[in-house]
Amino acid sequence: KAGVTQTPRYLIKTRGQQVTLSCSPISGHRSVSWYQQTPGQGLQFLFEYFSETQRNKGNFPGRFSGRQFSNSRSEMNVSTLELGDSALYLCASSLVWDSQIEAFFGQGTRLTVV
Amino acid sequence: DQQVKQNSPSLSVQEGRISILNCDYTNSMFDYFLWYKKYPAEGPTFLISISSIKDKNEDGRFTVFLNKSAKHLSLHIVPSQPGDSAVYFCAASRSGTYKYIFGTGTRLKVLA
Repeated sequence: KAGVTQTPRYLIKTRGQQVTLSCSPISGHRSVSWYQQTPGQGLQFLFEYFSETQRNKGNFPGRFSGRQFSNSRSEMNVSTLELGDSALYLCASSLVWDSQIEAFFGQGTRLTVV
Repeated sequence: DQQVKQNSPSLSVQEGRISILNCDYTNSMFDYFLWYKKYPAEGPTFLISISSIKDKNEDGRFTVFLNKSAKHLSLHIVPSQPGDSAVYFCAASRSGTYKYIFGTGTRLKVLA
C-alpha cells in the first residue's frame, strides 16, 4: 500500500511568486490536512480537507489556500511569497476506525523563498 | 495559547533502558492523541496513538499512557535503541476533525 506522496520535494522561489504543492493521500483515505514546520514555530496547522470540503483552517493569511479533488488528492497554494514562507510543508492522511486513529505524513516539500 | 506542551526539550537515555517522553494538554475536548518520531527535513513517522476512552495502548516497544484527569500522556520506549534517537512529537485532535495540534517536541538521544 503506497504511503502519502508529496510533490515536489524541494522548491526554490523568488519573493512575490506563487507556488502550488501537491499531496496524494493513502488510498481509501478521504482526509488530508496540511502543516507548516519552521524552526521557530514548530508544526503549525494550515488546513484540513475531508471529501473535498475544507473543515478547518489555521491562523494563516489569505495568501495560503488549498483545495481537495474528488480523488482525495489535495493541493495548497501560496501566493505573493514572502521570505518567512520558507519552511517544510507537510501533509497528513488520516483514518479513524474502531476508536483508533492513524495519521501518516508525507516526506514534505521544502520551500525556500529567496 | 499552547494547548499541547512538551516541557522537556531533550532527554538522554542509555541503550537498553526505558525512555519516557511526556506531554501535557489543556483542552479537555481532545479525543485522540498521537506520537511521532521525526528526523530533520523529513515527515513525521507515526508511532502509536490512543483514544480518550482508553488509558493505555501498546505496540511492540512503544506504550502510550493517558491520564485524563491530569491531562497528561506519556510515551514509553522499552528497550531504548540508538536508532530511536530523534525528535518526538505528541499531537492531539478532537473527534470529527483531523486537525492535529502538536507539542514542541522532545529530542531523545539514546547513548550506546
